[in-house]
Amino acid sequence: KQEVTQIPAALSVPEGENLVLNCSFTDSAIYNLQWFRQDPGKGLTSLLLIQSSQREQTSGRLNASLDKSSGRSTLYIAASQPGDSATYLCALWYYGQNFVFGPGTRLSVLP
Amino acid sequence: DGGITQSPKYLFRKEGQNVTLSCEQNLNHDAMYWYRQDPGQGLRLIYYSQIVNDFQKGDIAEGYSVSREKKESFPLTVTSAQKNPTAFYLCASSLGTGNEQFFGPGTRLTVL
Repeated sequence: KQEVTQIPAALSVPEGENLVLNCSFTDSAIYNLQWFRQDPGKGLTSLLLIQSSQREQTSGRLNASLDKSSGRSTLYIAASQPGDSATYLCALWYYGQNFVFGPGTRLSVLP
Repeated sequence: DGGITQSPKYLFRKEGQNVTLSCEQNLNHDAMYWYRQDPGQGLRLIYYSQIVNDFQKGDIAEGYSVSREKKESFPLTVTSAQKNPTAFYLCASSLGTGNEQFFGPGTRLTVL
């Protein structure tokens, strides 16, 4: 069974800092990888989707990269803001299976 | 506006009762999913459907049932056989399996 880990489980940073969230996986035969954010008590909001043939995707202050050989994806957030405070989850889609979710990283951006 | 709606937002159930959670999408997506989220845990797949009138069990299907009679709708019934149903339930959809997933706002179920 594929395993997805996200380290750290929680992170606090001062406003304005650039930061990196990590997603690690044991099986590199992925179809795509998706990053989400979840606010407390809410559903998941899709941030970025990286296809297996791609190395990175960008949207505004967010940049996600994918390195299948090392089993790692990173989500880079530039110039963090208090509104970025949320839990960030990665999810991997494997051929012939369904999405496997990581446990998430809870981010707090302090004003 | 295109999106996924779930109702109700909060649901309370007495032990021994069945309850049905609603999920509707107007994104014209073929695939729909139900997940369960417990505090401190990741999302776990309950059931999924790739096409109308077809659905498959996920990792934790015991005590749950679904139907997919219309493309837009994928209701989830939590039966009395589910031992620990108190959780946050999330519905999602995608154009097809493996495509970008979009989520609804969730239903929080509490068993009294």
